[in-house]
Amino acid sequence: DAKTTQPNSMESNEEEPVHLPCNHSTISGTDYIHWYRQLPSQGPEYVIHGLTSNVNNRMASLAIAEDRKSSTLILHRATLRDAAVYYCILRPISNFGNEKLTFGTGTRLTIIP
Amino acid sequence: DAMVIQNPRYQVTQFGKPVTLSCSQTLNHNVMYWYQQKSSQAPKLLFHYYDKDFNNEADTPDNFQSRRPNTSFCFLDIRSPGLGDAAMYLCATSRDPRGYPYEQYFGPGTRLTVT
Repeated sequence: DAKTTQPNSMESNEEEPVHLPCNHSTISGTDYIHWYRQLPSQGPEYVIHGLTSNVNNRMASLAIAEDRKSSTLILHRATLRDAAVYYCILRPISNFGNEKLTFGTGTRLTIIP
Repeated sequence: DAMVIQNPRYQVTQFGKPVTLSCSQTLNHNVMYWYQQKSSQAPKLLFHYYDKDFNNEADTPDNFQSRRPNTSFCFLDIRSPGLGDAAMYLCATSRDPRGYPYEQYFGPGTRLTVT
């Protein structure tokens, strides 16, 4: 499986934008980039995913590098509720074996009031 | 709201005493998953169902079993819990990911303590 690399931790001030980086230099052409987050004592929560183009939804934006070897999750205005571990996960288009979410170590995001 | 529900949220069992964790969903997804998350670690897939078709991960211990009596419900049975099975157990659902990697929806988890 293609691997991802994320910083172990990041801090951001409340109400400021947050940019969470992810490197995936061995990504293949059929790999989608998914982001999940896990708030304390809760199950993981889907955030966003994309293939080549940048994506926006109500929770965040996903910026994907032109060569697809890195991506950035953008929280436009961080709140205390955004404090969580953020996971960047590659998932292939496949008829077999893409069921598993292979979680890495993720980035622990701390929001400073 | 459509959701994934896990009961109980906290479960205490004794060493070697069988325990069952339950999961239900109102999303009508045909795929259901069980993940194990030990303290300070990332979640790890134990097994999943495509409808009633059971798929076990190669490294899931035999001590862990699962049942899915219908689309909405799925159970995790731990036949003889050991101290090493203390963890958060997460249930998730998705639409069929074969051909497209649909997102997974997780329940809040059941935290299992083994005494």
